[in-house]
Amino acid sequence: DAGVTQSPTHLIKTRGQQVTLRCSPKSGHDTVSWYQQALGQGPQFIFQYYEEEERQRGNFPDRFSGHQFPNYSSELNVNALLLGDSALYLCASERAGYGYTFGSGTRLTVV
Amino acid sequence: GESVGLHLPTLSVQEGDNSIINCAYSNSASDYFIWYKQESGKGPQFIIDIRSNMDKRQGQRVTVLLNKTVKHLSLQIAATQPGDSAVYFCAENKREYGNKLVFGAGTILRVKS
Repeated sequence: DAGVTQSPTHLIKTRGQQVTLRCSPKSGHDTVSWYQQALGQGPQFIFQYYEEEERQRGNFPDRFSGHQFPNYSSELNVNALLLGDSALYLCASERAGYGYTFGSGTRLTVV
Repeated sequence: GESVGLHLPTLSVQEGDNSIINCAYSNSASDYFIWYKQESGKGPQFIIDIRSNMDKRQGQRVTVLLNKTVKHLSLQIAATQPGDSAVYFCAENKREYGNKLVFGAGTILRVKS
């Protein structure tokens, strides 16, 4: 049984560009959350998707948006990239009554 | 691999010794708390959790203590092994519509052989 799968594992983008990160949840999980982890810090909650809708959101600007598909997979989109967006982006999936499972993340570098 | 916690506090222990990692949390309304282990290049891995109506919970080689009076959480690892070397984060959670974790700053644990 595969856990949470994220793609790509690494990517490099230029300031001002847009990026899309992808997440496939663990089998049986229906809720996906995204976190940003800057180097040397703990993960920070970006938003959560359930039933294809954003259910909760953290303190991130509108440049950060997402989507959840009928198969529960999810995308994180970041527009107008800034150098400060460089981080490890983590996806976590869950099912009601159960805890999170985190993926290994996508390392985004903005140059 | 890349280091997750370049500027985090570090705890160095000798292999076989017990380790105690501490964490302060902020939200007195949080209803459960979790400890995660994060190795370089990987996502956080669940270690143990505790509900706010408990003050102690034990797992295999690990114990979590919760002191709500001072908003303090600790993780005790017995007989620390080299494979325990990682960054450890505590996280607090207040379930409203689903889990939304607030992570602490993290502690690097280094185990010396």
